[in-house]
Amino acid sequence: GENVEQHPSTLSVQEGDSAVIKCTYSDSASNYFPWYKQELGKGPQLIIDIRSNVGEKKDQRIAVTLNKTAKHFSLHITETQPEDSAVYFCAASKRVGNTGNQFYFGTGTSLTVIP
Amino acid sequence: SAVISQKPSRDICQRGTSLTIQCQVDSQVTMMFWYRQQPGQSLTLIATANQGSEATYESGFVIDKFPISRPNLTFSTLTVSNMSPEDSSIYLCSVQGYGNQPQHFGDGTRLSIL
Repeated sequence: GENVEQHPSTLSVQEGDSAVIKCTYSDSASNYFPWYKQELGKGPQLIIDIRSNVGEKKDQRIAVTLNKTAKHFSLHITETQPEDSAVYFCAASKRVGNTGNQFYFGTGTSLTVIP
Repeated sequence: SAVISQKPSRDICQRGTSLTIQCQVDSQVTMMFWYRQQPGQSLTLIATANQGSEATYESGFVIDKFPISRPNLTFSTLTVSNMSPEDSSIYLCSVQGYGNQPQHFGDGTRLSIL
């Protein structure tokens, strides 16, 4: 089965600095990699995703990179703000059956942005 | 993306009782899932809720403990049966469209067992 590792488990940055969270996966069949942000008392919310035919994707202050050969992908947040403080989860997904995908989640990174 | 409503948002229950959690989506979706999230931990898939048939359970989860229903494409329930303190957790519903699409989550049900 798939094994997704995520590092670091906790991360503190000063407001305005960049934050980077890294994940590795083991199954070369995984072809879709979403990132979720979970705020206290809420469910995980999709913030950005990348598919295996793309190496990088950017959405304003958030970017994700994917290295299929090395089987790792990273989340980059620039110009961090206090509202970026949350727990972030990476996931690797592969097709299962005819209609769905199996998602495998990382262990999460608790990001704190210090004002 | 779909709007997902989970009820109840939280509950405190007595040992040995059962609780049914509801998940309602505002549009038809292909896949519905139930996850458990222990405090400060990642998400663990309990089962895939199949419309009109028995749910598909992951290793370590059984139907007698976590019966699931999915009568149509927009609604599912998860029952946590014969609860013990070890069942205290956050239970999350997620949905997914057809194909290689992201999963979207509800805000979860925070369950405490006394």
